[in-house]
Amino acid sequence: NAGVTQTPKFQVLKTGQSMTLQCAQDMNHEYMSWYRQDPGMGLRLIHYSVGAGITDQGEVPNGYNVSRSTTEDFPLRLLSAAPSQTSVYFCATLKGNPTSTDTQYFGPGTRLTVL
Amino acid sequence: SQQGEEDPQALSIQEGENATMNCSYKTSINNLQWYRQNSGRGLVHLILIRSNEREKHSGRLRVTLDTSKKSSSLLITASRAADTASYFCASLPSSASKIIFGSGTRLSIRP
Repeated sequence: NAGVTQTPKFQVLKTGQSMTLQCAQDMNHEYMSWYRQDPGMGLRLIHYSVGAGITDQGEVPNGYNVSRSTTEDFPLRLLSAAPSQTSVYFCATLKGNPTSTDTQYFGPGTRLTVL
Repeated sequence: SQQGEEDPQALSIQEGENATMNCSYKTSINNLQWYRQNSGRGLVHLILIRSNEREKHSGRLRVTLDTSKKSSSLLITASRAADTASYFCASLPSSASKIIFGSGTRLSIRP
């Protein structure tokens, strides 16, 4: 199993550009989420999904869109990149629902710089 | 603002000593988890404690939960150089499916 994969590993954008961060998992996990981590800070939840076809907003959803058309993939779209979106983005998955004792698995992260 | 706040923000101890980190949260929770993050890497799950539990152990880790004070602590006993990392608590509010992270504690172990 590859686990949770994220692409690209690094990305540099200019202000106003759009792009999609990819997250894929091969563990058949229902729950997936996106976090951003700014330097020296904790993780802030952007969007999450409890299953295919269902998404919801986290703490900091503005400027980001998500979709969950399949169980395996959970792409994060930046609509019009801004320097404030410079961060490391982590995708995470969990087998069932968060109320269980299942472990949350994290991808390796995408380091995004917006100039 | 984040659901959880951690204290201290940074901690430096001698190898072999115990390290204690604290986490406070704002709303009632279903469970609380602790994670470790080595510099520049992804997060690794350490331990989960449910709201109806008060203490859990895993190897050198001990986690306590006080729901009346909305706080949790992580104790690492007999610290090692390899324990140098950032540690985060993450809580699942009772009313939502969002897992919310605290601000983290940077732990440094001196040889």
